[in-house]
Amino acid sequence: TQLLEQSPQFLSIQEGENLTVYCNSSSVFSSLQWYRQEPGEGPVLLVTVVTGGEVKKLKRLTFQFGDARKDSSLHITAAQPGDTGLYLCAGPMEYGNKLVFGAGTILRVKS
Amino acid sequence: NAGVTQTPKFQVLKTGQSMTLQCAQDMNHNSMYWYRQDPGMGLRLIYYSASEGTTDKGEVPNGYNVSRLNKREFSLRLESAAPSQTSVYFCASSEIRGNTEAFFGQGTRLTVV
Repeated sequence: TQLLEQSPQFLSIQEGENLTVYCNSSSVFSSLQWYRQEPGEGPVLLVTVVTGGEVKKLKRLTFQFGDARKDSSLHITAAQPGDTGLYLCAGPMEYGNKLVFGAGTILRVKS
Repeated sequence: NAGVTQTPKFQVLKTGQSMTLQCAQDMNHNSMYWYRQDPGMGLRLIYYSASEGTTDKGEVPNGYNVSRLNKREFSLRLESAAPSQTSVYFCASSEIRGNTEAFFGQGTRLTVV
């Protein structure tokens, strides 16, 4: 059982559609991170959310940290084929020394 | 600036063989990590090192050992490889702790036959 549960596991949508990916935990996190990974590469950080209720925007991507700091969401507006990839949430545990990841959401955007 | 460098990129082992995966970072980071990635499982933490001279078990440490040789280098050793260890292995580093950005290497694809 992973400490960070992501849903959905897989998402296939048409270009122009909106989507939301969720990251949930029963534990409180001091911060949560979102990474994006392309085939054959390591994950690359998109954003870190730190404050409960925080909302951060990165172009068409909107990230939210839950008020209780147990969950986060990633919303993509008007998805494009270039958004295709694996999206991973991650958070620090054990006084921040240990970074754990969710299982990820595979996003495929069709043109 | 190379960032995080892993070697080798690909490896095929026979069951029972041993090998060491090498990782080096040039960003003067204190924390380093080893993960394995399997389909549908995301990244699972094998071992981590919060600072030079310290190592701790992660979520899936069985069958692995690590060495934090110095601040730059963190190696992962498989003493007796098993087919269940077939996976893609990633090394990562971060400045201080897990709540700062982690930078990843390009991965090692390991197959144990």
